[in-house]
Amino acid sequence: EVQQVESGGGLVQPGGSLRLSCSASGFTFSNFAMGWVRQAPGKGLEWVSSISGSGDRTYYADSVKGRFTISRDNSKNTLYLQMNSLRAEDTAVYYCAKDLCGASCYAWFDPWGLGILVTVSS
Amino acid sequence: DIQMTQSPSSVSASVGDRVTITCRASRGVNNWLAWYQQKPGKAPKLLIYSVSRLQSGVPSRFSGSGSGTDFTLTISSLQPEDFATYYCQQANSFPITFGQGTRLEIK
Repeated sequence: EVQQVESGGGLVQPGGSLRLSCSASGFTFSNFAMGWVRQAPGKGLEWVSSISGSGDRTYYADSVKGRFTISRDNSKNTLYLQMNSLRAEDTAVYYCAKDLCGASCYAWFDPWGLGILVTVSS
Repeated sequence: DIQMTQSPSSVSASVGDRVTITCRASRGVNNWLAWYQQKPGKAPKLLIYSVSRLQSGVPSRFSGSGSGTDFTLTISSLQPEDFATYYCQQANSFPITFGQGTRLEIK
């Protein structure tokens, strides 16, 4: 079964840092691009970042560019999101998602992990 | 950025009804359009990609259509498990963007 499990969320103060991890299983991890999508409480979905299967290409939403870094370790089947200079508006459930169509497609997210809550508050 | 606008924002319907949700892009997205279903407290689920391709395991009562900037998701005969929030998403260009969501409620 294809699945991803996120970890590393929690409460952090404004200006702080957090690293999210996403452990994937059930598929050849390096063959697929991966992404992070977030959802603020009671709000809609917002794409955050995507990375190619090999990890050599990365893409970011303007709202996180320069503060967040996406990376992956294909030997560990794990995706990461390093979040620095966190703001209150970064408070959200963060989902890790596999791209449906391949290593450099960046299109359809399927499946999604269960999500992990990040709360930025003093 | 490509803005995605869904209508309506919410709709009430009964089991057995046919429901259509529309999604308009601020500029053409070619065939790079998907639909997701999200139930409260759960992760989104991919229903349709490339405008009209049904993801594996998704019931055939779901269908998608459209082209250019205007797209629709149709549920032919609502089932109790279909009451959820639906989002469209474009992948034609970065940043990937979602519609604001359409909440489908029981009448």
